[in-house]
Amino acid sequence: AQSVAQPEDQVNVAEGNPLTVKCTYSVSGNPYLFWYVQYPNRGLQFLLKYITGDNLVKGSYGFEAEFNKSQTSFHLKKPSALVSDSALYFCAVRESGNTGKLIFGQGTTLQVKP
Amino acid sequence: DSGVTQTPKHLITATGQRVTLRCSPRSGDLSVYWYQQSLDQGLQFLIHYYNGEERAKGNILERFSAQQFPDLHSELNLSSLELGDSALYFCASSAQGGGSSGSTIYFGEGSWLTVV
Repeated sequence: AQSVAQPEDQVNVAEGNPLTVKCTYSVSGNPYLFWYVQYPNRGLQFLLKYITGDNLVKGSYGFEAEFNKSQTSFHLKKPSALVSDSALYFCAVRESGNTGKLIFGQGTTLQVKP
Repeated sequence: DSGVTQTPKHLITATGQRVTLRCSPRSGDLSVYWYQQSLDQGLQFLIHYYNGEERAKGNILERFSAQQFPDLHSELNLSSLELGDSALYFCASSAQGGGSSGSTIYFGEGSWLTVV
């Protein structure tokens, strides 16, 4: 069965510092991986995805993610964190087969302090 | 704005009642997914429709049902509501529905359901 794990419930970082939110996956075959962000009382916003090609994927709001097949990881990164980046981040993998539904990790709360 | 529209945004209802949540997918998207987000369960997949046909069911209770209409909008019906059904219900859409599709799945803002 396909699954995604986000090992950290919360990540704290100072504004201006680089941030990393970790995600590991378990799939059979080639993974389609996604990151979403959820601001308080808001919906899930798509940040970026990896389908194929370059292992470094660039997305919205200055975020990027690095796909590492050998480590089965897809960590979300940003060179310089902003207080406004504080939110709940979800990693997801698209399930193979007829439906292609997203399977989500449990989410990581990012807290950026001024 | 993702282009996925959900109504109502907030809903408060009593136990035992029935509610209908509505979703309009992005223009041209054939797939609609429903998810439930609660504090203790995280994001749970409920059901997937593709071009009017049910493709997959997840952890959806028998008290819940859904359908996708010819104009591609979808409704999630929740009946005999219990306190534990209080949650944020998301609708999402994508152009295609298969696992081999790299198309992005876009989410609406959600419908907050509170059962009292």
